[in-house]
Amino acid sequence: GAVVSQHPSRVICKSGTSVKIECRSLDFQATTMFWYRQFPKQSLMLMATSNEGSKATYEQGVEKDKFLINHASLTLSTLTVTSAHPEDSSFYICSARTPSVETQYFGPGTRLLVL
Amino acid sequence: ELKVEQNPLFLSMQEGKNYTIYCNYSTTSDRLYWYRQDPGKSLESLFVLLSNGAVKQEGRLMASLDTKARLSTLHITAAVHDLSATYFCAVDNTDKLIFGTGTRLQVFP
Repeated sequence: GAVVSQHPSRVICKSGTSVKIECRSLDFQATTMFWYRQFPKQSLMLMATSNEGSKATYEQGVEKDKFLINHASLTLSTLTVTSAHPEDSSFYICSARTPSVETQYFGPGTRLLVL
Repeated sequence: ELKVEQNPLFLSMQEGKNYTIYCNYSTTSDRLYWYRQDPGKSLESLFVLLSNGAVKQEGRLMASLDTKARLSTLHITAAVHDLSATYFCAVDNTDKLIFGTGTRLQVFP
């Protein structure tokens, strides 16, 4: 089956630093990847959609300059949280899909804690 | 703006009982997904419903889709403790998934 990995699984950082999260499709080529964030006991909120080789499309209310997304290859997308603050602490989940499949495959998530 | 609502938000049920979780959405879509999330974990795909009238079953769970009513249901039969988790429906909106509010299910003896 299709597998999506995320790295790191957990990260703690100081306020003001930047954190990069990687999302990889391990056994398929992902033309589109999605980034979600989830606060405790809440639903998933789509942050942005990224297509390989083009700029990401951000959802309303998501700061492009704060959450930098790069989809440099068909198997890798990265999310960089710049100048992180405690309110950025959340569970970040990526997903990936190909046009031929009617579903998204979700990564295991990255838990970010900003002190 | 597409809205996806689930009810109930929280469900505490006894083992062996049956119950249904409802997922209502506000605009036309013919693709709907159900996921399970355990505490601290990511999403596990349960069902993909791709057309009006679609019904799928896996073990004690059965999902259905009525696109005309903009309603999907997740029916639980003879609940067991292992089904305790949070369940999300998600509606496909131009290739983006909009998630429901989630239903936190607790099954007790």
